[in-house]
Amino acid sequence: DIVMTQSPDSLAVSLGERATINCKSSQSVLYSSNNKNYLAWYQQKPGQPPKLLIYWASTRESGVPDRFSGSGSGTEFTLTISSLQAEDVAVYYCQQYYSTPSLVTFGQGTKVEIK
Amino acid sequence: QLQLQESGPGLVKPSETLSLTCSVSGVSISSSNCYWGWIRQPPGKGLEWIGSIYYSGSTYYNPSLKSRVTISVDTSKDQFSLKLSSVTAADTAIYYCARQDGSGLIGKYWGQGTLVTVSS
Repeated sequence: DIVMTQSPDSLAVSLGERATINCKSSQSVLYSSNNKNYLAWYQQKPGQPPKLLIYWASTRESGVPDRFSGSGSGTEFTLTISSLQAEDVAVYYCQQYYSTPSLVTFGQGTKVEIK
Repeated sequence: QLQLQESGPGLVKPSETLSLTCSVSGVSISSSNCYWGWIRQPPGKGLEWIGSIYYSGSTYYNPSLKSRVTISVDTSKDQFSLKLSSVTAADTAIYYCARQDGSGLIGKYWGQGTLVTVSS
């Protein structure tokens, strides 16, 4: 199984400041035949299902504000919120889908709060 | 617009079988090159993928749950279902159904989730 580990578990950031979340996979999720990283990021607010933010490690989903960006390759990835807004308070998860269809795995989540 | 909706009992007794159905609207469940999956989330905890089914009926399960899970599809009703046997309190969770595209990305199509509590 590919284990996804996020850091930190939680962080508090001032409004307008940058928030950075890291995600490390236990093995590479870069598929060599198409040079794509099978890594997605989700945002989850209380009482709601997860919302897709980023896929292929760095492709922003339609309608997602451009303050959200994803980067990284292989085994190390980052989600950056360039200027934190109040509505960004949520838990963020990374997810690998490299193992599809056998086993999709998520990171443990990172809780983002306002300082 | 594709929509998914979970349904089923909200309370299941220990040792019994949890049964949920996901109704898909806006697209035929058999018309797309995609998988239909179940994910769960214990209260206050993270997300766990349970398994998925291709429209043809091929199934894929989380190894940690494989011995207790069955996912099936009814293309005539555009529904797919989850059965989890021998449940314990540890199976108490919000259960989501979702669409996975051909690459396996769960993406943007999720049900709203249904809370299932295991208790006598």
